[in-house]
Amino acid sequence: GAVVSQHPSRVICKSGTSVKIECRSLDFQATTMFWYRQFPKQSLMLMATSNEGSKATYEQGVEKDKFLINHASLTLSTLTVTSAHPEDSSFYICSARATDRVGYTFGSGTRLTVV
Amino acid sequence: AQSVAQPEDQVNVAEGNPLTVKCTYSVSGNPYLFWYVQYPNRGLQFLLKYITGDNLVKGSYGFEAEFNKSQTSFHLKKPSALVSDSALYFCAVRGYNTDKLIFGTGTRLQVFP
Repeated sequence: GAVVSQHPSRVICKSGTSVKIECRSLDFQATTMFWYRQFPKQSLMLMATSNEGSKATYEQGVEKDKFLINHASLTLSTLTVTSAHPEDSSFYICSARATDRVGYTFGSGTRLTVV
Repeated sequence: AQSVAQPEDQVNVAEGNPLTVKCTYSVSGNPYLFWYVQYPNRGLQFLLKYITGDNLVKGSYGFEAEFNKSQTSFHLKKPSALVSDSALYFCAVRGYNTDKLIFGTGTRLQVFP
């Protein structure tokens, strides 16, 4: 079945530094990838949609200069949280979809803590 | 705009009893509907989906869901709950002409021994 690998699973960083999260589709080509943010005991908020080789489409209210998304290949998308602050601490989850599929496969999530 | 509502924050059920987790949706056109389960500090695991065809969809771990177009609902059900079913459940919808998957607020299922 379709598998999406997300790394790291946990990261702690200092305020002002940048953190990169990777999302890889292991056994299929992910033409579209999605990045979500989940606050404690809350639902998943869609941050952006990325298509391979093109710029990501950000949801309203999401700072594109702060959350840099790169989808350079059909199997890899990265989310970089730039100049991280404690309020960026959250659980980030990616998902991927192949063109010929209706379903979505999710990564295992990344717990980001900014201190 | 598409949206999903999960009216219950938490559902409590005794082990062995049937369970229902409710979901209603709003979308233009025919919906694609999904149920996912999330365990603590983990990503989402796919349970089942409705695209077209039979209104009763059977999925993983004995779960099933019934698509009801007139009531715009897609409730998740299981005939006999297990303690291990305790987790956070999300309903999600994707509209026909969009790629975005929109989630409900989630329902925490607690199964008591």
